[in-house]
Amino acid sequence: QQQVKQSPQSLIVQKGGISIINCAYENTAFDYFPWYQQFPGKGPALLIAIRPDVSEKKEGRFTISFNKSAKQFSLHIMDSQPGDSATYFCAASIGSSGSARQLTFGSGTQLTVLP
Amino acid sequence: DAGVTQSPTHLIKTRGQHVTLRCSPISGHKSVSWYQQVLGQGPQFIFQYYEKEERGRGNFPDRFSARQFPNYSSELNVNALLLGDSALYLCASSLGPLRQGTYEQYFGPGTRLTVT
Repeated sequence: QQQVKQSPQSLIVQKGGISIINCAYENTAFDYFPWYQQFPGKGPALLIAIRPDVSEKKEGRFTISFNKSAKQFSLHIMDSQPGDSATYFCAASIGSSGSARQLTFGSGTQLTVLP
Repeated sequence: DAGVTQSPTHLIKTRGQHVTLRCSPISGHKSVSWYQQVLGQGPQFIFQYYEKEERGRGNFPDRFSARQFPNYSSELNVNALLLGDSALYLCASSLGPLRQGTYEQYFGPGTRLTVT
């Protein structure tokens, strides 16, 4: 089953705090795990992505932690700011040469950062 | 550089009608994917096109079809609209499935379709 399960559904964090969103997957053939940020009325924007050959990737305040054996990955937002308030989606994809690389998305986490 | 563009922004249609949505990928990108995002859910994959050929199809009925043009822009067509087709339709642009390491997909702003 090509499913990605995301939690929590909603998250409220104080300004300056750490936001943590978790995802779990079933299909061990997934080989690319991006996170997207979506503001109301906008399309998803690619935030950060990881391949399964590394356990962590950091870009600015955003870090992905990847646990291949547990089939889990998470997004950490350090020093969360009110401007980070958005819906975050994890995703996973498989693709081989010549075939489609379709993204399978989680159900989303609505993050609210309080000022 | 311009990102992914989609038109129209909003659209209201009646059940049973047909709709055509349009997408222009990022310059230099040759692959376009279409996703449907129902309110409160994550996007669902509909199609991917590369070099004018369909490379993948999600679990959507035959009422959904798409094509890609020589300039790599794409159209999504939906026939016999149902109320359940109301959603945000997203186009994603990527370099193409044939190139190693080019996994990133960049989304446009979407077309909000309302079926009444």
